[in-house]
Amino acid sequence: GNSVTQMEGPVTLSEEAFLTINCTYTATGYPSLFWYVQYPGEGLQLLLKATKADDKGSNKGFEATYRKETTSFHLEKGSVQVSDSAVYFCALSDTGTSYGKLTFGQGTILTVHP
Amino acid sequence: NAGVTQTPKFRILKIGQSMTLQCTQDMNHNYMYWYRQDPGMGLKLIYYSVGAGITDKGEVPNGYNVSRSTTEDFPLRLELAAPSQTSVYFCASRAGHEQYFGPGTRLTVT
Repeated sequence: GNSVTQMEGPVTLSEEAFLTINCTYTATGYPSLFWYVQYPGEGLQLLLKATKADDKGSNKGFEATYRKETTSFHLEKGSVQVSDSAVYFCALSDTGTSYGKLTFGQGTILTVHP
Repeated sequence: NAGVTQTPKFRILKIGQSMTLQCTQDMNHNYMYWYRQDPGMGLKLIYYSVGAGITDKGEVPNGYNVSRSTTEDFPLRLELAAPSQTSVYFCASRAGHEQYFGPGTRLTVT
């Protein structure tokens, strides 16, 4: 079956540091890939997505590239801010199913200090 | 446009009690989902619906039931609460590739 593996957290960085959160996946077919962000006390919000190999998703300074050869979708940001502190989830949607089920990684807690 | 709303925000149940978690969306989406989020884990799909009158089981449906009488509402029912159902519950609806999540219900069963 499908699975998503994220790097272990939590991750603690100083403001303006470079961020990488690793994500690898196992899937049959050609999944769509997503990063969701969950701020404290809130639901998940879509941060970025990529629907086919070599696509780059980007939003709010975050980027991730769909790498089929390494089955990866690592999240990066060049300079983090305190406001980026949140939980980040990598997820995939199996395009072979009709109901758009999302398979999530376990989440990575990011804390950014001033 | 409120998006996806959930009630209640918090609830404490005793073992064996029943309750319904409410979910409403105002975006006219056909697809709706219920997930649970356990500490340190990703979200697991409980039930989903592809439209009014149509529901199906996800990965972890045991102990739960759903109904979908309208496009807007997708309530989740717990009949006999157990400590293993202590979790945060999220409802979501989908348009295209994107799922839109509600703020969640934190449920504790003691």
